[in-house]
Amino acid sequence: QVQLQESGPGLVKPSETLSLTCTVSGGSISRYYWSWIRQPPGKGLEWIGYIYSSGSTHYNPSLKSRVTISVDTSKNQFSLNLSSVTAADTAVYYCARQEAGYYNYWGQGTLVTVSS
Amino acid sequence: DIQMTQSPSSLSASVGDRVTITCRASQSISSYLNWYQQKPGKAPKLLIYATSSLQSGVPSRFSGSGSGTDFTLTISSLQPEDFATYYCQQSYSTHTFGGGTKVEIK
Repeated sequence: QVQLQESGPGLVKPSETLSLTCTVSGGSISRYYWSWIRQPPGKGLEWIGYIYSSGSTHYNPSLKSRVTISVDTSKNQFSLNLSSVTAADTAVYYCARQEAGYYNYWGQGTLVTVSS
Repeated sequence: DIQMTQSPSSLSASVGDRVTITCRASQSISSYLNWYQQKPGKAPKLLIYATSSLQSGVPSRFSGSGSGTDFTLTISSLQPEDFATYYCQQSYSTHTFGGGTKVEIK
């Protein structure tokens, strides 16, 4: 059974960079697309972007200038960097496995708060 | 970007009721439409993919239909564990989600 686990700081200061890692267990990271999705408290879901195991990426245009997603196949991990954060970036961040456009495996989510 | 509009944003229903949730795309997305269920404090769970395909392990009371711009999720007989928020998601182009429909107990 594939499992995903997000990790990273729960508190980030405004203007700094939010960095999260998703560790995949129970299966290989190879030959799949891996995504980051976020959900501000009490609000809906927003797709951030995805990466293929080869390293090709696709980002949400609204976040593209601030987002970098990378993959480390040797560690079965992929990561999210979101720069120049503001309070509007406060959200639960999920990592997920994408298959044919849908998300069939999700991490439990991690709350990241942007505050000084 | 393709906008996804769900209706209603919330509804109250009783156990045993038939519930229908609608999702409308701002342009045609063919059949690239997926549905998720989310309970408080939990990650979303895939219910339906490609408009009408039931994800493994999901009860058959859930069904999906539609094409082009208009889609529906139907719960044929609402069960206590179905009270949750439901989201549609298009995968035709840059992925976007609907705003969600909260199903509450009447």
